[in-house]
Amino acid sequence: QVQLVQSGAEVKNPGASARLSCRASGFTFSTSYIHWVRQAPGQGLEWMALMNPGPGSTHYAEKFQGRVTLTRDTSTSTFYMDVNSLTSEDTAIYYCAHTNYLLFYFDYWGQGTLVTVSS
Amino acid sequence: EIVLTQSSGTLSLSPGERATLSCRASQSVTRSYLAWYQQKPGQAPRLLIYDASSRATGIPDRFSGGGSGTDFTLTITRLEPEDSAMYYCQQYSNSPYTFGQGTKLEIK
Repeated sequence: QVQLVQSGAEVKNPGASARLSCRASGFTFSTSYIHWVRQAPGQGLEWMALMNPGPGSTHYAEKFQGRVTLTRDTSTSTFYMDVNSLTSEDTAIYYCAHTNYLLFYFDYWGQGTLVTVSS
Repeated sequence: EIVLTQSSGTLSLSPGERATLSCRASQSVTRSYLAWYQQKPGQAPRLLIYDASSRATGIPDRFSGGGSGTDFTLTITRLEPEDSAMYYCQQYSNSPYTFGQGTKLEIK
């Protein structure tokens, strides 16, 4: 059973950066991908990026290219997402989510991390 | 980018009734790579259906999915109060892997 445990809520000033983490267990690096999906307050779901954990390769939605960076620590099975140049429009719950390596439907989700951007 | 449009607004039904939710894609979804999720307030989404019609592990058979190409449906029979939630469709045919805007289902 895959489990994804995310870091706690954060409050950031506009222009700052945030690093979110997602610790994974119960999954196999070679057959899994880790994705990040966000949800603004009262809004729908928005896919942001994915990582292939084995080689550490990444793919970003065009909207987030250059402002979001995914990394991982294989020794702790922890995945990170850095988001730069935060604005109030980045206020959202950020989820990490698991898919298999072939088909990108999200079968396991983290509990979410609320990022609030406010001065 | 594939845009998914779900049946709009809120669907209000009574326990025991049937709900039919729709999801229309702006272009054909290859191999019916479409999923449905349920989300309750304060919770992460939960996978219900993948590949348009396959139920995820542990999902009761009251939930069923269908469709192909650009038109997909999620059907929930014998509605229960616990089915009150937001429902989202998602395509994983092409990047970016987009979601519909959601349909709110109320069971009264």
